[in-house]
Amino acid sequence: GQNIDQPTEMTATEGAIVQINCTYQTSGFNGLFWYQQHAGEAPTFLSYNVLDGLEEKGRFSSFLSRSKGYSYLLLKELQMKDSASYLCAVMNSNYQLIWGAGTKLIIKP
Amino acid sequence: ETGVTQTPRHLVMGMTNKKSLKCEQHLGHNAMYWYKQSAKKPLELMFVYSLEERVENNSVPSRFSPECPNSSHLFLHLHTLQPEDSALYLCASSQDGVSGANVLTFGAGSRLTVL
Repeated sequence: GQNIDQPTEMTATEGAIVQINCTYQTSGFNGLFWYQQHAGEAPTFLSYNVLDGLEEKGRFSSFLSRSKGYSYLLLKELQMKDSASYLCAVMNSNYQLIWGAGTKLIIKP
Repeated sequence: ETGVTQTPRHLVMGMTNKKSLKCEQHLGHNAMYWYKQSAKKPLELMFVYSLEERVENNSVPSRFSPECPNSSHLFLHLHTLQPEDSALYLCASSQDGVSGANVLTFGAGSRLTVL
């Protein structure tokens, strides 16, 4: 079967760095997405990786290793507003999006 | 308005009721989606429409009936639901239905409670 694994919940301190991991097993690969979802709000697009390596976008970076079936989202200089759920999703060879259950990130002062 | 708008934001219904969820997008996108989001579970794709034609239906029970009258509007008609159907229903749109970098724009969702 196809599945995406990510931690259910993580806690970090304001101003620190946190890494949210995502491992996947899918039938083929056409890219990996990260979305952010604040409680009671719409998921919003953060990043897309299709080639190996690190993509940096301000305080957020996303890394992909296709050979390992692995990605991470790195959040630097954490702010209270970063408290949210982070969803990892992989597009398989049939262009279907396979979703993880999301990682709830709690930021403490 | 911009983005994807969903109404109502909250809905409580009995198992014998009939109600509808509405989604509207103002982005000029060609594909629209219904997802079900339950606590601590991955998003479940229910329906996909591309250029107003249904292209995917993931074995959703017939008590859920989608309607896409045009590329900007999507409905989810609900009837004789079960308590386990209580969830957040998310609408999304994208430029195309099939592509690698297919970024979804989501609405804020309709929180459904079935009594």
